[in-house]
Amino acid sequence: EVQVVESGGGLVQPGGSLRLSCAASGFTVSSNYMTWVRQAPGKGLEWVSVIYSGGSTYYADSVKGRFTISRDNSKNTLYLQMNSLRAEDTAVYYCARELWGSSSYYMDVWGKGTTVTVSS
Amino acid sequence: SYELTQPPSVSVSPGQTARITCSGDALPKQYASWYQQKPGQAPVLVIYKDTERPSGIPERFSGSSSGTTVTLTISGAQAEDEADYYCQSADSSGTYVVFGGGTKLTVL
Repeated sequence: EVQVVESGGGLVQPGGSLRLSCAASGFTVSSNYMTWVRQAPGKGLEWVSVIYSGGSTYYADSVKGRFTISRDNSKNTLYLQMNSLRAEDTAVYYCARELWGSSSYYMDVWGKGTTVTVSS
Repeated sequence: SYELTQPPSVSVSPGQTARITCSGDALPKQYASWYQQKPGQAPVLVIYKDTERPSGIPERFSGSSSGTTVTLTISGAQAEDEADYYCQSADSSGTYVVFGGGTKLTVL
């Protein structure tokens, strides 16, 4: 079965750090585009970051310079290192596989999400 | 930054047709996708490449595109279709994914 499972969320103080993990099964992380999407309480979906199969990475302006996306091919796992966390980073963070083609980008496999709360 | 615009809410009676629109300047160049999200659950892909339906998604879900607007249509909406729906596409470069603000569909 193709699935992803996120972990690593929790309560962290403003300015702190946290690393999220996303373990994949049924497919190879390094052969796919992998994305992080977040959802603040009561709000909509917000794209956060993507890592391409070739290794290129891109970030939303709201997290650029603070978050780093990476992967461990031997563990078939995606990561999101989050530094200098702010209250507005509080959200459920989803990991998703992104399929792409000619002018087409969409997420077909989603995890259940992991909750990050930034508060003192 | 690029934006996709959706109506905040749509209401229909059971059995009626629900239509949710999504507008964006790059939609003539980039395909759109639609996701259904029920409370406390992860999003589920219901339409991709404007009109394609993943396996397991009921035939009552369909998508269409015209110029800068894409539309999700639910024909014969059922109570179980009550959820938030999000459109998603990419900017004209294809580098940055963007989501619409979401539409709450009420079936009552």
